Amino acid sequence: AQSVAQPEDQVNVAEGNPLTVKCTYSVSGNPYLFWYVQYPNRGLQFLLKYITGDNLVKGSYGFEAEFNKSQTSFHLKKPSALVSDSALYFCAVRDRETGANNLFFGTGTRLTVIP
Amino acid sequence: DVKVTQSSRYLVKRTGEKVFLECVQDMDHENMFWYRQDPGLGLRLIYFSYDVKMKEKGDIPEGYSVSREKKERFSLILESASTNQTSMYLCASSLGLGTSTDTQYFGPGTRLTVL
Repeated sequence: AQSVAQPEDQVNVAEGNPLTVKCTYSVSGNPYLFWYVQYPNRGLQFLLKYITGDNLVKGSYGFEAEFNKSQTSFHLKKPSALVSDSALYFCAVRDRETGANNLFFGTGTRLTVIP
Repeated sequence: DVKVTQSSRYLVKRTGEKVFLECVQDMDHENMFWYRQDPGLGLRLIYFSYDVKMKEKGDIPEGYSVSREKKERFSLILESASTNQTSMYLCASSLGLGTSTDTQYFGPGTRLTVL
């Protein structure tokens, strides 16, 4: 079975400080991992994904995420937060071995960047 | 850029009504998906389709049906709307062709209220 955990419902960070949004996953095989962001009253926008290769993945808007197989984690990071980064962030996983097309999403983490 | 559009941003219906939610993508994608998003539950997959006239049940198909008569259009149908179907509904599409590295692209969502 596939699952994703985002242990924090809410993360607050001061503008200019580094931010981290946590994600851990569980799959029977090897994972494909994704981060999406949702701004108010909007659909989800793709940020980045890990498929294979370098464990550090760089994505849109200066975000990056590090795949850690031993800790089954895929935390989203940004060196310097902007107020405009305030949004709802979703981590998602797909099991590479099953070949399925659907994604399993976490429950989301609301990021608030304080000016 | 991939564009996924949904027919309505906001919809209010009465209990027992038949409701149609329409989704159109313009990138010739094979796969299309319907999710519902609820606070604290994240996104849950209702149905997906990997080809015209083909469909697969997701995690929560009860009370819903889908139709895909043309490649670019995927409809979600609530046969008899109930108050517990009040939610945000998100449509997504992905390239498909059997690769599980696909990125899903989302529409802006339809916020459905059933009275």
